[in-house]
Amino acid sequence: QITLKESGPTLVKPTQTLTLTCTFSGFSLSTSGVGVGWIRQPPGKALEWLALIYWDDDKRYSPSLKSRLTITKDTSKNQVVLTMTNMDPVDTATYYCAHSLAAAGRPYFDYWGQGTLVTVSS
Amino acid sequence: QSVLTQPPSVSEAPRQRVTISCSGSSSNIGNNAVNWYQQLPGKAPKLLIYYDDLLPSGVSDRFSGSKSGTSASLAISGLQSEDEADYYCAAWDDSLNGYVFGTGTKVTVL
Repeated sequence: QITLKESGPTLVKPTQTLTLTCTFSGFSLSTSGVGVGWIRQPPGKALEWLALIYWDDDKRYSPSLKSRLTITKDTSKNQVVLTMTNMDPVDTATYYCAHSLAAAGRPYFDYWGQGTLVTVSS
Repeated sequence: QSVLTQPPSVSEAPRQRVTISCSGSSSNIGNNAVNWYQQLPGKAPKLLIYYDDLLPSGVSDRFSGSKSGTSASLAISGLQSEDEADYYCAAWDDSLNGYVFGTGTKVTVL
């Protein structure tokens, strides 16, 4: 059974760096074709993909946020960490991590965490 | 602003059929697989359709996906009250080199 859970601060101040951790079970991030991605959703708005890391450490980022994002994995701990620098109130959103499978580099997200709401405010 | 366009809302009576459109371009839908997600109120998204028309295990066969050119569609037959949710299409975009979600469609069962 695949499960994922996001953890991190619920409140960050503008200009601070956000660090979120996705802790998962039921799969290995060293298995070919497997990845973990991050997706966010501002209150009342649509989903927005942020980043994705594959089993071979290949990393992909949203072009509009690439300069602010870093995604890393710790296979031994079954964790994926996302950092986002220079946080702004518009970054207030629920942040989800999700298990990904991909064929020919074309992913989909088949298992999702419950999400964690991050508020950016002074 | 999303590159995949969906109608903001659709509504239909119980037991009827609804279709949700997703319009893209040659760099996304036209050249890559489309996935669909269902998001019930207050819940995390759930994969509904992957690779254009495949159903994950456990998903009702009342849901079906199709694609033609640079557009895709999700159909829900035998509409039920439990289908009231937001639905998102998504695909890889070769030009952006990233994964893009649609604008989302709210389905209301009358």
